Amino acid sequence: DQQVKQNSPSLSVQEGRISILNCDYTNSMFDYFLWYKKYPAEGPTFLISISSIKDKNEDGRFTVFLNKSAKHLSLHIVPSQPGDSAVYFCASNGGATNKLIFGTGTLLAVQP
Amino acid sequence: EPEVTQTPSHQVTQMGQEVILRCVPISNHLYFYWYRQILGQKVEFLVSFYNNEISEKSEIFDDQFSVERPDGSNFTLKIRSTKLEDSAMYFCASSPDLNEKLFFGSGTQLSVL
Repeated sequence: DQQVKQNSPSLSVQEGRISILNCDYTNSMFDYFLWYKKYPAEGPTFLISISSIKDKNEDGRFTVFLNKSAKHLSLHIVPSQPGDSAVYFCASNGGATNKLIFGTGTLLAVQP
Repeated sequence: EPEVTQTPSHQVTQMGQEVILRCVPISNHLYFYWYRQILGQKVEFLVSFYNNEISEKSEIFDDQFSVERPDGSNFTLKIRSTKLEDSAMYFCASSPDLNEKLFFGSGTQLSVL
């Protein structure tokens, strides 16, 4: 079973606060995870990634945490800005393939 | 910054017609992909292409679909006889190597009537 799940279809956060987007995966063989951001009428844009040998990766306001035992990862955005409003997709390479498996996405709305 | 470009941005076609979606990947990338997103659904993998051949394809990518890299810069997706359910946003992507992040184009919105 190769699935990546994002159980929250939407999230609303005040500007300046932390946004936490969650993602679960089903297969413990998955070893590389990515977060993409997507604006309407545009393609997904890479944000940040993490390999299964790490449990945290940080890039500016964006931090991804990986909990392998729970098969869970999360994206933290702090401080959130109105320009962060977009759909965020979690994805994995599926462990041994060169394709990405995407979650269904979470629509983040950052309120000014 | 280099980017993946896709044309056209919108394509409307009649059911049963052939369509070709075009993409120009980033020039030094080696791996090329097509994905699609049906309205309200997740982004789905269709096919990956490396060294002038398909390296992996999904169940969606049946005999009606084909890909080609005709001239070393373009990467095309052909649907021979479109069906209503082929209506979707089609994204082309490329990456410099295996297990590297993918760079996506802006997509072609295909509407089959």
